[in-house]
Parts: sequence; structure tokens; C-alpha cells
Amino acid sequence: EPEVTQTPSHQVTQMGQEVILRCVPISNHLYFYWYRQILGQKVEFLVSFYNNEISEKSEIFDDQFSVERPDGSNFTLKIRSTKLEDSAMYFCASGFNRGYEQYFGPGTRLTVT
Amino acid sequence: KNEVEQSPQNLTAQEGEFITINCSYSVGISALHWLQQHPGGGIVSLFMLSSGKKKHGRLIATINIQEKHSSLHITASHPRDSAVYICAAPTGNQFYFGTGTSLTVIP
Repeated sequence: EPEVTQTPSHQVTQMGQEVILRCVPISNHLYFYWYRQILGQKVEFLVSFYNNEISEKSEIFDDQFSVERPDGSNFTLKIRSTKLEDSAMYFCASGFNRGYEQYFGPGTRLTVT
Repeated sequence: KNEVEQSPQNLTAQEGEFITINCSYSVGISALHWLQQHPGGGIVSLFMLSSGKKKHGRLIATINIQEKHSSLHITASHPRDSAVYICAAPTGNQFYFGTGTSLTVIP
């Protein structure tokens, strides 16, 4: 069964460093999403991406964040200068159609020290 | 302001019990998602429904679009059902998530 994969599973970085979180969505999906979940809190929407551009983004997704689909298979989330409060689990998801069933990756746990 | 409210926040049940988790939302949607988050953190999509009822095995989800309310039922609960159950409402291209219901099923 096709699945969404994410790498790395755990990333530790120092405050101020740039990180890139990688996702490989399901191959025939057209819509891609990033979410985050701070430990003990609810899942929060970050950004959706379709047709090589951002469709919608939340207030959390400020200028420190960017997304890219560099090669038609990977979908990346970049955080330019990490802060302690960026420590969270980051989930990628993909779907075939807008608003419909999404398939989630296993998540990347980001720890900023 | 929470666009999606779930109840209860925590639920402990004996194995075999019938379980109901409720979700109310204030945003206009065409469908609602129920997700399961395992103790290890992984998220699995259980249902996406826009009307009526859906059933997968021992799980049943219902939705009333007019009342903006959905329920997730688990029949004959089992310890392996222990997880956090999350409802999520898509609007446009954004999702609003409930805070989740943490379910523990005791053998």
C-alpha cells in the first residue's frame, strides 16, 4: 500500500540553525500539507501546497518557513532560523483532492536546543 | 476560540464497552475527518465523511451537517483501541483540529 514517508525521523538542531524536513508524498497525489504538533498540544495546520504553489497558510507559517517541491517527488519544509518554540513533531500529508482524505507521514520530531 | 470542540478530553473504558466521542464544529465544511494518533505519535486517517454514517469494522462515524456535529463510536472496545482520536474540519485548504480525545481501554 502506498504511504507517505518523512525523513529524518528525529532532528536535533541548535537555535538559529536552518533545518530542512523532507517528505515523499504518495505519487499520484496533488495536494500536500505540513502540520505541526507541539508536545502535549493539538495538531496545527501550517501550509497547503498545490500546483507548485502555496494554496493556504496559517499564521504560524511566517517568513521563517518555506516549502518546496524541488523534483516532483520530494516535498520539503525549511525553517530558516530555528527557535526553541519550533520544537515539535512535524507531519506531512498528501491527498488526491482538496479537502478530502489525507494520508499522513510518520512525522519528524524536531528538537531545537 | 476553537473552531472544533471535542468531548470528552479523556476517556477510560473497560474492554468490551461501547464508546462514543463527540465533535462539534463552527466552521462551514463539506466533510469532516476522524483521525487516530497512536501512542508513538503516528497519525492514521479513519474516516472522511460528509453525510450520514460510515462503518469500518468496529468503528462507526456519523455526521449531522445541519447541526455541525459528528460522533465516533467504537463497539466492543479493545485495549488496542487505546489512542488519541482527533476530529478535523477542512475549510478551503486549511484544516482545523480538535484537541483530541485520549482513550484508554483497560483489559
